[in-house]
Amino acid sequence: EVHLVQSGAEVKKPGESLKISCKGSGYRFTSYWIGWVRQMPGKGLEWMGIIYPDDSDTTYSPSFQGHVTISADKSISTAYLHWGSLKASDTAMYYCARALSGQRGAFDIWGQGTKVTVSS
Amino acid sequence: DIVLTQSPGTLSLSPGERATLSCKASQRVSSSFFAWYQQKPGQAPRLLIYGASSRVTGISDRFSGSGSGTDFTLTISRLEPEDFAVYYCQQYATLPDSFGQGTQLEIK
Repeated sequence: EVHLVQSGAEVKKPGESLKISCKGSGYRFTSYWIGWVRQMPGKGLEWMGIIYPDDSDTTYSPSFQGHVTISADKSISTAYLHWGSLKASDTAMYYCARALSGQRGAFDIWGQGTKVTVSS
Repeated sequence: DIVLTQSPGTLSLSPGERATLSCKASQRVSSSFFAWYQQKPGQAPRLLIYGASSRVTGISDRFSGSGSGTDFTLTISRLEPEDFAVYYCQQYATLPDSFGQGTQLEIK
């Protein structure tokens, strides 16, 4: 069975760094795009960016470019979302999700989400 | 960037009724690259429809998608209690991909 399992909830202070993870199983990790989606408390879904794990080809939404880094380690079937310096406004649930086919696209498999709280 | 505007923001219906959810794009979107998701409280979103009208395996045939150009529709026939949730549209034709702001489908 195909799964994406994300790392656990995090509580951080403004200015701290953070890297959350998303581990794929049950499929060929290198053959499917993995995206990251933000959901702020009580709000909708925001597309952050996407990576192709085989060659780490990455595209970001302009809204997130420069503030987060998306990466992947195909040897351990894991994608990452990294912040160098967190802000209180980064408080949200973050989901990773797999694109439906070998192309960038709709997300058919989702991780359970990682809740990030940034507070002084 | 393509902005997706969903309407209505909230839809109040009773079980057994038909729901029609709309998503309008700020630019033309190829129907091959349009999707609908359902999200229930405390859960990750679930893909329902991709390619504007293709239903994901295992999704009830009460859910159907249609549309082209800038106007897309998700229709849920004969609402069941488990259908009351938030629904999002998504375009993945033009980077950056984008989601609509969501339609809350609530029990009347």
